[in-house]
Amino acid sequence: ELKVEQNPLFLSMQEGKNYTIYCNYSTTSDRLYWYRQDPGKSLESLFVLLSNGAVKQEGRLMASLDTKARLSTLHITAAVHDLSATYFCAGELGAQKLVFGQGTRLTINP
Amino acid sequence: GAGVSQSPRYKVAKRGQDVALRCDPISGHVSLFWYQQALGQGPEFLTYFQNEAQLDKSGLPSDRFFAERPEGSVSTLKIQRTQQEDSAVYLCASSPTGYTEAFFGQGTRLTVV
Repeated sequence: ELKVEQNPLFLSMQEGKNYTIYCNYSTTSDRLYWYRQDPGKSLESLFVLLSNGAVKQEGRLMASLDTKARLSTLHITAAVHDLSATYFCAGELGAQKLVFGQGTRLTINP
Repeated sequence: GAGVSQSPRYKVAKRGQDVALRCDPISGHVSLFWYQQALGQGPEFLTYFQNEAQLDKSGLPSDRFFAERPEGSVSTLKIQRTQQEDSAVYLCASSPTGYTEAFFGQGTRLTVV
């Protein structure tokens, strides 16, 4: 059974700082996804990581995948207020099911 | 429409009532998924359709939950005899293939009182 754990669950940081959200998963997963969710809104796809060593970057966000360690990270560089949201990682089980972590609620203060 | 559309956006049901939640996927999308997201939690898988075929319903929490997609486009998630623990946001997603190209709708927030 695939289990996905994120940490931290809550993160409050100042603008301009760097931080990393960690996502551990328990068994082999075909792909690893990162999503963003704003309050009352749906899930917005950020990254899909397909293979070991994959690194993807978009603006101030960078995601990486280490399949041997069963670990993915989402790194935030020089945070800005607009990045305040809840971030989820999810592992893919087969082709039809995503298993999500609990989410990391990120608050970026001016 | 341009995206996945869900209706209603908000639903309040009295305990014991039946509810029906609708999902309009992006036109032409073969795959359709339903998820349940409890407050402060990550979404949890409910069921998956490929066209009209329900290929996986392993996540449906009880036999009170039923989903259908009779013509391979619009899908309905029905919950019979709602209970307080059914209160959650129900998310629908559609994709031309798998999750790499999936888009989620805004969800239906169900509150059972």
